Amino acid sequence: EAQVTQNPRYLITVTGKKLTVTCSQNMNHEYMSWYRQDPGLGLRQIYYSMNVEVTDKGDVPEGYKVSRKEKRNFPLILESPSPNQTSLYFCASRTSGVYNEQFFGPGTRLTVL
Amino acid sequence: ILNVEQSPQSLHVQEGDSTNFTCSFPSSNFYALHWYRWETAKSPEALFVMTLNGDEKKKGRISATLNTKEGYSYLYIKGSQPEDSATYLCAFTDSGNTPLVFGKGTRLSVIA
Repeated sequence: EAQVTQNPRYLITVTGKKLTVTCSQNMNHEYMSWYRQDPGLGLRQIYYSMNVEVTDKGDVPEGYKVSRKEKRNFPLILESPSPNQTSLYFCASRTSGVYNEQFFGPGTRLTVL
Repeated sequence: ILNVEQSPQSLHVQEGDSTNFTCSFPSSNFYALHWYRWETAKSPEALFVMTLNGDEKKKGRISATLNTKEGYSYLYIKGSQPEDSATYLCAFTDSGNTPLVFGKGTRLSVIA
């Protein structure tokens, strides 16, 4: 089944404890991205990647890192999480070219205490 | 920063009613507009990708139109059903190399 998977789906952590949210897609998509969803603010892009070893900042990259060592994986790293990073996170992928629909992962709900 | 506006923010309709909502985007430079449907506790799913002025797309009871010259797209739902209850997102881009910019969505509630 074609899909985007994220892990973990739910995470409660404490300030400063490094964490990684994994994202994997099995559709051979070149383009992957991370979004955060906060009430009243809509989906905001954190980082995106046009292909392996190519990443770029989105609208809200502060406090996050990403890597794209393989085409299928695009992990989101929070080196030192803070409470303002409490949010719902989505990973998405598509083939290159914005004429193509994006496929979203199931979401990761993160709480930073 | 591109600005994508959706209206209304939320909408309550009775089962069987038809409804529509709007996505507004900069008209100066258009490349593509996407519509997504996002049900509670699920992830957004693509409805349409629209690329040409005058485009009309349809999927069942849901359809969308596009006017790139004036910078808006309408999403129509005919004969709303409770299962249509969701947040409908539009996303815009002005080039093939820049990411999609999402609006904040229209939250539709269909009351049986």
